[in-house]
Amino acid sequence: NAGVTQTPKFRVLKTGQSMTLLCAQDMNHEYMYWYRQDPGMGLRLIHYSVGEGTTAKGEVPDGYNVSRLKKQNFLLGLESAAPSQTSVYFCASSFGAASWRTDTQYFGPGTRLTVL
Amino acid sequence: TQLLEQSPQFLSIQEGENLTVYCNSSSVFSSLQWYRQEPGEGPVLLVTVVTGGEVKKLKRLTFQFGDARKDSSLHITAAQPGDTGLYLCAGAKITGTASKLTFGTGTRLQVTL
Repeated sequence: NAGVTQTPKFRVLKTGQSMTLLCAQDMNHEYMYWYRQDPGMGLRLIHYSVGEGTTAKGEVPDGYNVSRLKKQNFLLGLESAAPSQTSVYFCASSFGAASWRTDTQYFGPGTRLTVL
Repeated sequence: TQLLEQSPQFLSIQEGENLTVYCNSSSVFSSLQWYRQEPGEGPVLLVTVVTGGEVKKLKRLTFQFGDARKDSSLHITAAQPGDTGLYLCAGAKITGTASKLTFGTGTRLQVTL
């Protein structure tokens, strides 16, 4: 099993350009998440999905859109990139099981995005 | 708003030393998780603590959840170079149909020979 994979690994954009980050998981997980990680700030939740066709906003959703057309894929879009979106982006997935308190999130390797 | 503060932010110690990392919050969490992250990789879950006062051990790592479920600590005994990495705590809260995690600011540990 590949677990959680992210494409691409690195990307450089100019201000105003758009791009889509792809996350794929092969663990049949219901829940998927997008985080960004910035120095000294831990990981912050951008958007998440509790199932195919559903999405919800997280802590820092502005400037991002997401789609979950297939259960195994979760796409993160930047319509008009800004330098403040320079960050490392992580996707995660989990079963979203009945035992909410012990639900384990599995993370991908990350995408390093630089916006000039 | 950052709800979870970790201390220290950086720690550089020699092999064999002991250390404790703290994770503090003013909020109550359903559970608290500790992750370790290595350069170029995503965080990997080490442990989940659920009950106030709970203590879990993972080889040389001891995790404790505060009685009020607002704070946690990670103690490493006889640190080894393989313990080097970024340690993140994350508090879980159930909102609607999802259990969302709030991550701490992170503690970067370096263990040298």
